[in-house]
Amino acid sequence: GDSVTQMEGPVTLSEEAFLTINCTYTATGYPSLFWYVQYPGEGLQLLLKATKADDKGSNKGFEATYRKETTSFHLEKGSVQVSDSAVYFCALSIRDSNYQLIWGAGTKLIIKP
Amino acid sequence: NAGVTQTPKFRILKIGQSMTLQCTQDMNHNYMYWYRQDPGMGLKLIYYSVGAGITDKGEVPNGYNVSRSTTEDFPLRLELAAPSQTSVYFCASRSPDRATEAFFGQGTRLTVV
Repeated sequence: GDSVTQMEGPVTLSEEAFLTINCTYTATGYPSLFWYVQYPGEGLQLLLKATKADDKGSNKGFEATYRKETTSFHLEKGSVQVSDSAVYFCALSIRDSNYQLIWGAGTKLIIKP
Repeated sequence: NAGVTQTPKFRILKIGQSMTLQCTQDMNHNYMYWYRQDPGMGLKLIYYSVGAGITDKGEVPNGYNVSRSTTEDFPLRLELAAPSQTSVYFCASRSPDRATEAFFGQGTRLTVV
């Protein structure tokens, strides 16, 4: 069935470091891909999305490119800040699964000053 | 611009008590979801609905019930609360399009003692 696999956390980086959080997926059709962010004590909010192959989603300095050939949607940021500390979730949506959102397990990111 | 509103934000229940978590959205979304998130964990789908009058079980429905009498409202009922139901509960909504994101409420933190 459809699934999403994220790298395990926590990921601990120093401020201004380069960030990559890996996300790969398995889907039988043509999914849309999403990254959500959850700040401490809050609900999830959309960070970025991509709806077809080779699309690049971007927001707040974060980027992710929809790679159909490697079934990946890795999240990257060139220079992280302490305020980026949060849990990041990768998810996919596909018509064949009745538009359900299939979620990764989440990756906790800790940025140290 | 309310989006998805959940009430209450916090609640402490005694074992065996019952309660209803309220969720309402003002975006006219057909799809609504209830998730639970245990500490340090990802999201688990409890129930979902694809429209008024239609509900279906997710992966962890035991101990919960839902109803969907209107497009806007999707309450979650806990009967005979148990300590295993201590969690943070999130309601979400979206339109039935693979490319659209889900919108989340701020969550209800429930403790069963």
